Amino acid sequence: EIVLTQSPGTLSLSPGERATLSCRASQSVGFNYLAWYQQRPGQAPRLLIYGASSRATDIPDRFSGSGSGTDFTLTISRLEPEDFAVYYCQQYGNSMLTFGGGTKVEIK
Amino acid sequence: EVQLLESGGGLGQPGGSLRLSCAASGFTFSDYAMTWARQAPGKGLEWVSTMSGSGVNTDYADSVKGRFTIYRDNSKKTLYLQMNSLRAEDTAVYYCAKLGSNWINSYFDYWGQGSLVTVSS
Repeated sequence: EIVLTQSPGTLSLSPGERATLSCRASQSVGFNYLAWYQQRPGQAPRLLIYGASSRATDIPDRFSGSGSGTDFTLTISRLEPEDFAVYYCQQYGNSMLTFGGGTKVEIK
Repeated sequence: EVQLLESGGGLGQPGGSLRLSCAASGFTFSDYAMTWARQAPGKGLEWVSTMSGSGVNTDYADSVKGRFTIYRDNSKKTLYLQMNSLRAEDTAVYYCAKLGSNWINSYFDYWGQGSLVTVSS
């Protein structure tokens, strides 16, 4: 099983600032099959990024994903009020799909 | 518009059974793999099980293997999760999700709103 470690656990930022979230895998993620999801309080998760860097349908271009192998990054270029939420990475390159523990982006 | 509507959650007894359903619309159901994921109260996401569009291929998390069964009825555009031998640690919101392809190793591109399962005596 691939273990995904997300850091930091909590990120305190102000609207308009840049957010950089990290996801590190315990072994290489096959085909860079790494996705990012956003979950707002009381809501279901929403797909943001798949294949490490491809934006999902209707996702604003302030969200971008990068990385390969074991190190991946989600960047939000300028935080909007609706971006304060919890973000999860997920690998689907291995048959046992796994999620990271999440990073909470909160208003400073 | 893709819509996924879960039902069947509620209170289950330890050692008992529950069945979740997920009614799908807005896409060709049989062309896509489908999955169940869960989230315990205040915790992160955990993948539970996935089934291919045809129903031939399935996969389960170790935590539910041998107790839970995923299946689908493509004529009814509905996904199911039969949960047996329930444990307190199965308490969670259960989400149904559509995968981005017919392959069971894919991202989850649409999610339902979730169904709460509570296991308690």
